[in-house]
Amino acid sequence: SQTIHQWPATLVQPVGSPLSLECTVEGTSNPNLYWYRQAAGRGLQLLFYSVGIGQISSEVPQNLSASRPQDRQFILSSKKLLLSDSGFYLCAWSRQGGETQYFGPGTRLLVL
Amino acid sequence: AQSVTQPDIHITVSEGASLELRCNYSYGATPYLFWYVQSPGQGLQLLLKYFSGDTLVQGIKGFEAEFKRSQSSFNLRKPSVHWSDAAEYFCAVGAGYGGSQGNLIFGKGTKLSVKP
Repeated sequence: SQTIHQWPATLVQPVGSPLSLECTVEGTSNPNLYWYRQAAGRGLQLLFYSVGIGQISSEVPQNLSASRPQDRQFILSSKKLLLSDSGFYLCAWSRQGGETQYFGPGTRLLVL
Repeated sequence: AQSVTQPDIHITVSEGASLELRCNYSYGATPYLFWYVQSPGQGLQLLLKYFSGDTLVQGIKGFEAEFKRSQSSFNLRKPSVHWSDAAEYFCAVGAGYGGSQGNLIFGKGTKLSVKP
């Protein structure tokens, strides 16, 4: 069966510091991968998606970037965090050509 | 453009009562439709999905949803709510263009509280 992991679970960072959130998927190959941000009362906002190694599409302009160095690894990064980057970050995967997305447990980021 | 509307931000029901959460979508073709549930501080769990065929779909935890094309709706129902159903519920629509993208558009969610 497939599982998706995210770490860390919780992170408190000062403004201006760098960020690296990691997502890995097990039990499948060549998945589509997604990063979402969830802010209170605003639902889920798709940030990035990837259909393969090194292939990243950005949905919104922002302070964040994403990379996919390995088939089942997806990383969300920032060089300098802003207060507005605080939120709950969710990673998801789907099969190639599949419509159903499966979500990880999320990372709670608080920027102070 | 695709969009999903969940008109109810917060709903409170008594344990044992029936539940209906509303979802309306905007999409030109036949959409792929999903309901997810999120417990506090957790990720999203898929409850059910509709791609085609029977418009009444059954999901996990005793939930069902009905696709009504004429009303552009995909409402979630449960005949008898349990205290453990208290969570936030998200409706989502997929473009279903069959490619490798499969991006979803989510509603803003409905928070369900259950009274004992």
